[in-house]
Amino acid sequence: GAGVSQTPSNKVTEKGKYVELRCDPISGHTALYWYRQSLGQGPEFLIYFQGTGAADDSGLPNDRFFAVRPEGSVSTLKIQRTERGDSAVYLCASSATRGEQFFGPGTRLTVL
Amino acid sequence: GIQVEQSPPDLILQEGANSTLRCNFSDSVNNLQWFHQNPWGQLINLFYIPSGTKQNGRLSATTVATERYSLLYISSSQTTDSGVYFCAVVGNTGKLIFGQGTTLQVKP
Repeated sequence: GAGVSQTPSNKVTEKGKYVELRCDPISGHTALYWYRQSLGQGPEFLIYFQGTGAADDSGLPNDRFFAVRPEGSVSTLKIQRTERGDSAVYLCASSATRGEQFFGPGTRLTVL
Repeated sequence: GIQVEQSPPDLILQEGANSTLRCNFSDSVNNLQWFHQNPWGQLINLFYIPSGTKQNGRLSATTVATERYSLLYISSSQTTDSGVYFCAVVGNTGKLIFGQGTTLQVKP
């Protein structure tokens, strides 16, 4: 596609539930990044994929968060046992290797 | 890790005015990007500028890597320029490190 796409655009869930957020990167981009943005803050890094492998997952806050990119294209961010503090906008970006990063529109997650 | 500071945090302009936004960073960086986050939350790429000067219409940016700062210039501001402007840098790890942003309001 023309840009990075993310689904769903909005997700409302209850505390303790499991959620999956999807990212479709720009075609041909080998690098894919997940960030999280809380209200009034700049985005914060979660995880970076180069191809299928996670090159840097140092930003994942705890073991409830997990991400995959099995075929080196689409990625899914998975959050188990959601907590109210997980509420944020989750942003995905892609780039050619170490190049300019382009962002998707984000998924707004609300945990009730 | 690298720290990124943006100033001013908030800026109110009358339509037609010019402004300069500043981004300071604490260590050598490989890349630097400027973004505009619109009211719907979309991050729009403005400049990819690890060093030097670039211009795009009413916007221009300069990065002085040796002195660890970058400037974003907005000339003849319009109401559609309103939003949050972010500077973000890349160190050795590939990830973007964002500043806290400058919130710009342009009044008609």
